Amino acid sequence: DQQVKQNSPSLSVQEGRISILNCDYTNSMFDYFLWYKKYPAEGPTFLISISSIKDKNEDGRFTVFLNKSAKHLSLHIVPSQPGDSAVYFCSGATNKLIFGTGTLLAVQP
Amino acid sequence: DTGVSQNPRHKITKRGQNVTFRCDPISEHNRLYWYRQTLGQGPEFLTYFQNEAQLEKSRLLSDRFSAERPKGSFSTLEIQRTEQGDSAMYLCASSRGGKPYEQYFGPGTRLTVT
Repeated sequence: DQQVKQNSPSLSVQEGRISILNCDYTNSMFDYFLWYKKYPAEGPTFLISISSIKDKNEDGRFTVFLNKSAKHLSLHIVPSQPGDSAVYFCSGATNKLIFGTGTLLAVQP
Repeated sequence: DTGVSQNPRHKITKRGQNVTFRCDPISEHNRLYWYRQTLGQGPEFLTYFQNEAQLEKSRLLSDRFSAERPKGSFSTLEIQRTEQGDSAMYLCASSRGGKPYEQYFGPGTRLTVT
């Protein structure tokens, strides 16, 4: 039972352009949604979160959008930089985090 | 404070041996979580503590797994009679009471069972 789904295993974007990472969920009980970034051989790094009662949260180059009726959220990175190249995990939170399988973002110089 | 730390970073063991991992959370964080990550998957929840109380355990946490947080500070995760299927990255995270969902992860312990 995959409660959080990231259907795109990978995404390639040119430096300076927008990166859009997508995530779908099935569990209506999630209180928050969070995005994490992960480099190889490191633990996930918290990026940005959004409450289930909001539809948008912005932090610098990162914006997360939540569409509750569609049970869909997305992470926008503008402008994309080569250092953003990593695996991005979407997660839903109750007492614990439920993660998707991740999307590998490659930002080409 | 330098964040969540985990030791060892890597562990290679033979099948059937017992292993123990340690996690030191961020000092003011009262919640501590253990997750497991295998190749191509996101982290999967194993268990979490609030202070010294273990409040939830996943069904992934078989009888061979035990976790403790005796004084509400560091935590240990022990795996008894390891199996090859236990090979994974074991991640520890911590969070504070005001924002329990905002979890900060350590670098993980990579376990290889041969």
